[in-house]
Amino acid sequence: GAVVSQHPSRVICKSGTSVKIECRSLDFQATTMFWYRQFPKQSLMLMATSNEGSKATYEQGVEKDKFLINHASLTLSTLTVTSAHPEDSSFYICSATNRGVGNTIYFGEGSWLTVV
Amino acid sequence: AQSVTQLGSHVSVSEGALVLLRCNYSSSVPPYLFWYVQYPNQGLQLLLKYTTGATLVKGINGFEAEFKKSETSFHLTKPSAHMSDAAEYFCAVRISSGTASKLTFGTGTRLQVTL
Repeated sequence: GAVVSQHPSRVICKSGTSVKIECRSLDFQATTMFWYRQFPKQSLMLMATSNEGSKATYEQGVEKDKFLINHASLTLSTLTVTSAHPEDSSFYICSATNRGVGNTIYFGEGSWLTVV
Repeated sequence: AQSVTQLGSHVSVSEGALVLLRCNYSSSVPPYLFWYVQYPNQGLQLLLKYTTGATLVKGINGFEAEFKKSETSFHLTKPSAHMSDAAEYFCAVRISSGTASKLTFGTGTRLQVTL
């Protein structure tokens, strides 16, 4: 079946630096990708919706300048956390959908970000 | 706007017992409903989904759910729990399949399976 892959699965960065997380659809063209944030023992909170070739749509309260999303191709979306701080430490999950397969949404394995 | 309520943040059952995880939704239009499972430190795996047609939906790992419009519910069940079923379960709703509309998740239910 369809697979969505995230990289890296775990990353530790220093406060003030930027870190990039990649989300790839491995065997289908993802017209839309979604980025979620999940705090420990909590639900997934949608951060933004990313459409290929256009600007991402951010949810209310999500800083677009801090969480840069680029959906440059139909198989790749990236989330860059700029000037990371310890409070940005979280589990980030992407998902992708292809209109051609009944709009099933496939999730990546998630990426743990720890800012020290 | 759509919303999802999962009753019970923690559910504990004995191995072999019935699993029942509750989910109620709110939507102004016919919803598409999903159950996902999340194992520790992993992403989400689709268990099953309801789009249209038969209201009783069978998924992977022996799980099934029934869409009840009159009760606005989509409860997840499994006749006999297994230790490997211990995980976090999320119910989600989406209001349209015609566009790549977003999923709205419930707060999740942690299933514990005891011997």
